[in-house]
Amino acid sequence: GQQLNQSPQSMFIQEGEDVSMNCTSSSIFNTWLWYKQEPGEGPVLLIALYKAGELTSNGRLTAQFGITRKDSFLNISASIPSDVGIYFCAGQKVTSGTYKYIFGTGTRLKVLA
Amino acid sequence: KAGVTQTPRYLIKTRGQQVTLSCSPISGHRSVSWYQQTPGQGLQFLFEYFSETQRNKGNFPGRFSGRQFSNSRSEMNVSTLELGDSALYLCASSLRWDRGYEQYFGPGTRLTVT
Repeated sequence: GQQLNQSPQSMFIQEGEDVSMNCTSSSIFNTWLWYKQEPGEGPVLLIALYKAGELTSNGRLTAQFGITRKDSFLNISASIPSDVGIYFCAGQKVTSGTYKYIFGTGTRLKVLA
Repeated sequence: KAGVTQTPRYLIKTRGQQVTLSCSPISGHRSVSWYQQTPGQGLQFLFEYFSETQRNKGNFPGRFSGRQFSNSRSEMNVSTLELGDSALYLCASSLRWDRGYEQYFGPGTRLTVT
C-alpha cells in the first residue's frame, strides 16, 4: 500500500532538546494531519493543517504545511520523557474522485532523561 | 465528549475462522474509516463509510468487508482468516467525508491469528 516518506525513521534525543521531523511526497495534498501513537493505543491527533504555508502550534509542538503542498514538518521544542512515541503524518488528497488519507511510515522518538 | 470506542480490544482467532470488529464513533460524527496497522506495512486504509454508504475502499481482498448502521456505528468483518491478517485494526471517525476533515482514532482491536 501507499505510504508517505517520513524521516528520520527513529531518533534518540536528550531531554530538553528540540526535535524536527518531516514528511515528503511526490503528490500534492490539501490537508496534513500529525498524530502521536503510544504502545497499545490508537494515534492521537496533534495538529491539523489546511493551507500551503500554514504554521500551527499546539503547546511545544509546531507544524508547517509545505509551500509546494508536497511536504509537512513537525517540530517539538524542549523535549520531555513523555514525548516518547511514534509520530505519524497523514496527507489528504483526492484519489479516484474521493478524498483519502495516506499515512507516513512514522518517526519513533526516544528521549533520554 | 466520549472518544471513539472499539470492541473487543484483543482477539485471538484460528486460521480459517471469521471475525467481526465493532466501532462506535464520536457522537455526531457520521464518517467512519477502518485501517489495518502492521509493523511491515504501516497504516493501510481499508474502507470508509458515511451515512451507511461505503464511499471509499482500499486495496484489500474481498474477505474484508464492513458496514455502517443508522446510528453511525460500524462493523468490519474478516472471513477465512489468514496468518497475515494479524494486526492492529483501527477505526477513525470524522464529522465529514470530504476535504479537510479531521480523523480521530479509537484505541484499536489487536487481532492475532494462529
